[in-house]
Amino acid sequence: QVHLQESGPGLVRPSETLSLTCVVSGYSISSGYFWGWLRQPPGKGLEWLANIYHSGRTDYNSSLRSRVIISVNTSKNQVSLKLNSVTAADTAIYFCARAVPGSNLYYFDSWGQGTLVTVSS
Amino acid sequence: DIQMTQSPSTLSASVGDRVTITCRASQSLSASLAWYQQKPGKAPKVLIYKTSTLQSGVPSRFSGSGSGTEFTLTISSLQPDDFATYFCQHYNNYSYTFGQGTNLDIK
Repeated sequence: QVHLQESGPGLVRPSETLSLTCVVSGYSISSGYFWGWLRQPPGKGLEWLANIYHSGRTDYNSSLRSRVIISVNTSKNQVSLKLNSVTAADTAIYFCARAVPGSNLYYFDSWGQGTLVTVSS
Repeated sequence: DIQMTQSPSTLSASVGDRVTITCRASQSLSASLAWYQQKPGKAPKVLIYKTSTLQSGVPSRFSGSGSGTEFTLTISSLQPDDFATYFCQHYNNYSYTFGQGTNLDIK
């Protein structure tokens, strides 16, 4: 049973860089699938941010591409996210998740519990 | 970019009711859809993928259908555990799009 656990600072100052880590257990990232980050502002909907494959191949949400970097460390079995130049609009619960294929569709079958990040001075 | 619009945004129903949530795409989809259930303070949980395939462990009262621009999630007989928010999700051209969500609450 795959388990994902996000961690990072709960508070980030405006204009600074948000850094999050997701540790995966119960499954080796090197075995395959995509690993991604999504977020959800309090009381609102879901937004996909980025995905990465164990080889390092990345996909980004075009609306955030200039501010987001996703990376993978297969030796530590973890995925990381950096979002720079944050504003209050980046306040959200951030989830890491595993994306698996299903007939022309990739969907997220395993999720971390999420971590709330607040952007405030 | 393809936009996904869910309706209704809020749905009030009773235990035992049959309910349907619709997800409409801004253009015809060549790929299929997934549906998620999310409860307060929890991560989303996938219910259905490939438009109509039930994820392992999901009760058979959940079903999905559709094609083109219109897709539906149906709960045949609402149970107390089903009151939650539901999202549809599409994948296209290395990008993922979610509907805005449908909040299903108790009437």
